[in-house]
Amino acid sequence: DGGITQSPKYLFRKEGQNVTLSCEQNLNHDAMYWYRQDPGQGLRLIYYSQIVNDFQKGDIAEGYSVSREKKESFPLTVTSAQKNPTAFYLCASSIEGTSWQTQYFGPGTRLLVL
Amino acid sequence: RKEVEQDPGPFNVPEGATVAFNCTYSNSASQSFFWYRQDCRKEPKLLMSVYSSGNEDGRFTAQLNRASQYISLLIRDSKLSDSATYLCVVNTNAGKSTFGDGTTLTVKP
Repeated sequence: DGGITQSPKYLFRKEGQNVTLSCEQNLNHDAMYWYRQDPGQGLRLIYYSQIVNDFQKGDIAEGYSVSREKKESFPLTVTSAQKNPTAFYLCASSIEGTSWQTQYFGPGTRLLVL
Repeated sequence: RKEVEQDPGPFNVPEGATVAFNCTYSNSASQSFFWYRQDCRKEPKLLMSVYSSGNEDGRFTAQLNRASQYISLLIRDSKLSDSATYLCVVNTNAGKSTFGDGTTLTVKP
């Protein structure tokens, strides 16, 4: 089955700790995205990548980092600089990074700070 | 002011009712528009794209008004299974998506 997988489903972070969220797709999509969703709010763009080895900051990139070494993988690291990391993190992909492409989402990772 | 604004609701309607949601956007250069559906604690899923001439998919009708910068979603003959949060999404020509905060619909028996 083609799709997007995210792991883990739940993740706990201690103060001062960096954690990495996994996102993998086997849809052969060029573009990938990371969003954050807080309760009762819409999705906010953290980072996006339209091609391998290239990525751009979204609206709320501070405290986060990404890499895009392979087409199918786009991991997100939540660093200790992110002071309020508790949220629902969603990864998405689209065939291309153009405006007409719809995005397909993974099941998400819920990050909680202990 | 947010780039994409939606009435948060909640909209509570009986089965069989017709309900309409509106979404306004501020960027006049926006290129494409979508409605996504998000169930509680799940990922968003595409419901339908919104075309300039308006489009219909079964009980769902989407409309775009570029002059007034809003899009709408009409649901006819509401089903219990339509209960969800509906997200309005607006894309710029750079491929960047901006999401509204969503409108919550609860359909009751």
